[in-house]
Amino acid sequence: DSGVTQTPKHLITATGQRVTLRCSPRSGDLSVYWYQQSLDQGLQFLIQYYNGEERAKGNILERFSAQQFPDLHSELNLSSLELGDSALYFCASSVDAGMGNEQFFGPGTRLTVL
Amino acid sequence: TQLLEQSPQFLSIQEGENLTVYCNSSSVFSSLQWYRQEPGEGPVLLVTVVTGGEVKKLKRLTFQFGDARKDSSLHITAAQPGDTGLYLCAGGETQGGKLIFGQGTELSVKP
Repeated sequence: DSGVTQTPKHLITATGQRVTLRCSPRSGDLSVYWYQQSLDQGLQFLIQYYNGEERAKGNILERFSAQQFPDLHSELNLSSLELGDSALYFCASSVDAGMGNEQFFGPGTRLTVL
Repeated sequence: TQLLEQSPQFLSIQEGENLTVYCNSSSVFSSLQWYRQEPGEGPVLLVTVVTGGEVKKLKRLTFQFGDARKDSSLHITAAQPGDTGLYLCAGGETQGGKLIFGQGTELSVKP
């Protein structure tokens, strides 16, 4: 158990809908990262937050957004869902935001868009 | 754009054999992390190497970071069925905390 929690474990929804994925980092970690894992793309970095502020952005679609709250939990919002958004979404956390930080991953949310 | 090429993509071996997985890039990384992932679960961190030339051992697993911090290898001695899984290397960017992942090596160890 990495100490990172994610809910829900599974999510099935329809195209055009909006969903929210939730992540709670390990106790003491200030930085949260979101990754998407699909069969053809592997693990891709989406976005990073550090202590409530956006720190880095990857290839995150404009339909996707995230935030980190004062209690350090984070939410990833996916809207206008398309079939191609079906994937595993992982949250990871680390102590701070600098390079070389070890990242610990949650169990993931499997999103299926029908 | 930093990329990590991981090889081989698939590896099927018999119990007791040795194997090496490679992770290569033309870019320099601040660190290199190795993860193991089971189907439907999150990646589990195995080791982090940060110094060029660094070698770390974890029981039967040996990890090495290249001198120039552009490549890494994972060597498993006397593989066991319990080693079966997806092995991922991930390079830490030199300008921030984000990780660049390799495509992974799917290892199957048959008894």
